Parts: sequence; structure tokens; C-alpha cells
Amino acid sequence: QKEVEQDPGPLSVPEGAIVSLNCTYSNSAFQYFMWYRQYSRKGPELLMYTYSSGNKEDGRFTAQVDKSSKYISLFIRDSQPSDSATYLCAMSRYGQNFVFGPGTRLSVLP
Amino acid sequence: DAGVTQSPTHLIKTRGQQVTLRCSPKSGHDTVSWYQQALGQGPQFIFQYYEEEERQRGNFPDRFSGHQFPNYSSELNVNALLLGDSALYLCASSPNTLGRYSPLHFGNGTRLTVT
Repeated sequence: QKEVEQDPGPLSVPEGAIVSLNCTYSNSAFQYFMWYRQYSRKGPELLMYTYSSGNKEDGRFTAQVDKSSKYISLFIRDSQPSDSATYLCAMSRYGQNFVFGPGTRLSVLP
Repeated sequence: DAGVTQSPTHLIKTRGQQVTLRCSPKSGHDTVSWYQQALGQGPQFIFQYYEEEERQRGNFPDRFSGHQFPNYSSELNVNALLLGDSALYLCASSPNTLGRYSPLHFGNGTRLTVT
């Protein structure tokens, strides 16, 4: 079993849809949870960061962490074609040396 | 404000050769981490440098080595290249926060192809 699992997709949605992206993990020691967006031929860029359990909202993006289920989610509201990218979850025990999921490819169709 | 810059952007090498990849961190950052991202996979942690020393290391063989210079820039060296080393190599910088969380800022990577 991999330490962090993520549905690779591809996930295709129409413009304006609500997108739900998820990761599961096996290491209960993880405390720091991040979501990165990676466009083709680019490096990952940080979207959201959450410490421990709970929700965090930033504009159209909401991150949720459920440590009891070892499950994290990223919701994108009013999705746009510019949101088309690969979304990577990442997590860490001490805030360093992040373990990444394999990424989910998202396409938002106009 | 320049972000993380990496060079070269692309590289083609032959099995058994050695390669050096370079990274300049974001202004104000003194910690550099290297990640390997195989096609269709997430980045995997190779190692992290701070104060010119390797601070932490992931599960990579000794063929992978690095260096950090006094200006915080860094190099990743890979010896005896294997076909499986073909990947996107990402450099990420962060400010030192004494072991606590600090967000990673990634460069756009070096695409290494081993033939």
C-alpha cells in the first residue's frame, strides 16, 4: 500500500461545476496537509495548506482534513478552464520532507 | 522578485554517464530541497540542504549527491545513470523555520532523459 493514494483521473467537468479531489493516506503521524497545482511543463505551486484536522477556505478553494479517516479533500467551486491542471496532495509529519500523492489530472471544459 | 530557477531545462544523457543539475533559490530562502518526479507520478523527496549540509535524505541511493554553496544555490549530481533515472527533477526552496512547516516554492524543473 502506498503511503498517499490519489485517483489519477483524468477527471473532466463542465465549466462552473464543483470539483471534488481527494487523497487517502496511511501514516497517522502526518500533521501538515497541502494541495499543489501543476500545469503542464511547470513546477507545482502551492494552493492550500492545512495543519491537523479541519477546513480552510480561500476564494473558490476549500480544503478539508479528516485525520480520523485519514482522508483529505480539495473542493473547487465555479470551476474554470484555467483550473485544468494536475492536482497533487502532499503531507508531512513535521512540516518538512513532504510525501506527495501521484496527482489527479483535471480538465474543465468550456 | 525572481522565483526558483533551474538549469538546464532539458538534458539527454546516456546510461552510465554522470549529470549535474543546478538550482538558484527564491530570494530570501536559504533551504533547498530536491525532488524527482517520474512521468505520471508525484514528486519524491531526494534530499534537503541547509547551511551547505545535507539535512535530510529520502530513499535514494548514494549515486544521488548534492551540494549547497554559500549563496544558497545548489547542485544535484547523479552518477552512473540508469534508464530509470529519467524524470523531471524539481528544486524547491523555503525559508529556514527551525524544522517547522515552511511552504515549498518549486522551480519548473529539469527534464532528464537517459537513453
